[in-house]
Amino acid sequence: ETGVTQSPTHLIKTRGQQVTLRCSSQSGHNTVSWYQQALGQGPQFIFQYYREEENGRGNFPPRFSGLQFPNYSSELNVNALELDDSALYLCASSHGRQNIQYFGAGTRLSVL
Amino acid sequence: TQLLEQSPQFLSIQEGENLTVYCNSSSVFSSLQWYRQEPGEGPVLLVTVVTGGEVKKLKRLTFQFGDARKDSSLHITAAQTGDTGLYLCAGAYKNRDDKIIFGKGTRLHILP
Repeated sequence: ETGVTQSPTHLIKTRGQQVTLRCSSQSGHNTVSWYQQALGQGPQFIFQYYREEENGRGNFPPRFSGLQFPNYSSELNVNALELDDSALYLCASSHGRQNIQYFGAGTRLSVL
Repeated sequence: TQLLEQSPQFLSIQEGENLTVYCNSSSVFSSLQWYRQEPGEGPVLLVTVVTGGEVKKLKRLTFQFGDARKDSSLHITAAQTGDTGLYLCAGAYKNRDDKIIFGKGTRLHILP
């Protein structure tokens, strides 16, 4: 059984660019949640996908968007990057929307 | 608005000492989780508490959920250097569709 994997591990972009982050959920899990963790902060909920549909969204602008695929893997897309988007982006998968979440190691995004 | 407060923010103690960290909210949780996060890693779930007054033990770690389900504590007995890390509490709120909200964490450093 493989755990949650995220790619890439590190990424450097410049302001205004677009980025796509990827997450493979743990085997048997149908729900993926994305979080943004700024330096010195706790993770902030971005959105959750359940069976390929968005199931709840945190306080993030529309330039943060996502997808979930039939194999339950997921992407997080961020358009028009801003300096404040620099953070660790965490993906967590679970079996069901309210069950225990298992986190990946994250993608560290730096926006210059 | 930060719904979930963790204290202290930072704690540095000698190996062998005892410590308690706290997680407080003005709202009632439907459930509460404690995670530990190490540098370069995603959060790892330690425990979930659901019932008011519940106490759970995980080796030298004791977790308590307040009777009113608005607060929780984590007590570590005889701290070891391996306990060093960021301790996050995360609550699910019924009036927020059970979405998980994280605190900023307590950064614990155990000195040898």
